[in-house]
Order: sequence, then C-alpha cells, then structure tokens
Amino acid sequence: GENVEQHPSTLSVQEGDSAVIKCTYSDSASNYFPWYKQELGKGPQLIIDIRSNVGEKKDQRIAVTLNKTAKHFSLHITETQPEDSAVYFCAALPGQNQGGKLIFGQGTELSVKP
Amino acid sequence: DTAVSQTPKYLVTQMGNDKSIKCEQNLGHDTMYWYKQDSKKFLKIMFSYNNKELIINETVPNRFSPKSPDKAHLNLHINSLELGDSAVYFCAVKTTREQYFGPGTRLTVT
Repeated sequence: GENVEQHPSTLSVQEGDSAVIKCTYSDSASNYFPWYKQELGKGPQLIIDIRSNVGEKKDQRIAVTLNKTAKHFSLHITETQPEDSAVYFCAALPGQNQGGKLIFGQGTELSVKP
Repeated sequence: DTAVSQTPKYLVTQMGNDKSIKCEQNLGHDTMYWYKQDSKKFLKIMFSYNNKELIINETVPNRFSPKSPDKAHLNLHINSLELGDSAVYFCAVKTTREQYFGPGTRLTVT
C-alpha cells in the first residue's frame, strides 16, 4: 500500500525566512496531494493541494511542487511569520481510491521565531 | 454554524470503562471518517463511512465500534478502554475538494 515519508520532523526558522518541507510517496498511481496545517488544540486544516497533472501550484506565500518521476512533493512557505508556526502534514490519495482514504506523512513542527 | 463538531472536547476516564465520542456535520456530504492522532502527532485513519455504510476499517480492535445513525452523524464507541487508547480522535468529512476535520476529542485513559 501507499507509504508517505515526511522530512524534517522539526524545523525552526527566523521570521521572514523561507521554510521547505519535503515528502515522498511510494504508490506511483497516487493522484492527489494535499497539505494540512494543524494549530495547537485544533484539527488539521487544508492549506493547499496539488493534483498529479500539475507540477506546481502557488497561493500567496505558500507553494507546492510535485515531481511525479521522483515521487516527491514539497511545501514552500516564503516570508514566514510567527502565525505560520504549527504542525504541517503532507498526504497522498492512493490510485486505488478506497473511499477517499488519505495516507498522511509523519508531520513537521514548524517554529517561526520573531 | 460549525461545519464539523465533536463532543466532548476532552474526555478523562479510567481503564475498563466504555465511552462514546460524537461527531456531527452540516456539510451535506456522505463520507465521514474517524482518525486517531497519537502523542507523536501521527494521524492514522480508523474508519470510513459512506451514507451510513462502513467502507474502511483499518485493523482497529473490535473494542472500537463506529455507529452512524444518519448521514450527518458518525459516533465512535469504545469498550473496555485501555491506556493505549489515550490520543486525540478526529472526525472528518469528505467534501468535493478536501477532507474537512473536526476540532478533535482528547481522550485520556488513567
């Protein structure tokens, strides 16, 4: 079955710097890759997603890139702000769609220092 | 109105007890999930229901039993609670674009 690996597990940056979180997946048939942000005491919230027919997608300060050949996708946050501090999860939707079952990475705890 | 709500938000109970967590959604979509998030933040799917029918059961002990009385509700009942059941449990709803998560229920078993 699908397996998603996420790195790093923790990331600390200075305010204004960029942050990059990387994920790899194993199922080449996976076709949808969302990123979720989880703030303390809250449920994960979708921040950006990308489908397998697109290589890059951008939404203001966040962007996601997908390399299907390498089975690798990344989240890029530019001009980081303290409110970006949270746990970020990547996920993949396997090609054999079992009721929309997402496979999540292990999470990255991002800390943005003022 | 909150799209996905869970009750209670916190639940502290002793080993061996039986407890339920409730989930209600007003998004109007048919597929709902239960996830478990352990102390290391790892999110793992437990169950998926579509229109009150079980779709996914991820090798969860049979002490856990989801119940869907109607399309807007998916409750989680846990029998004979164990220390290892301590975690945050999230309900989620599959919309056309995303899985929309509830606020979570923190279960602590002592």
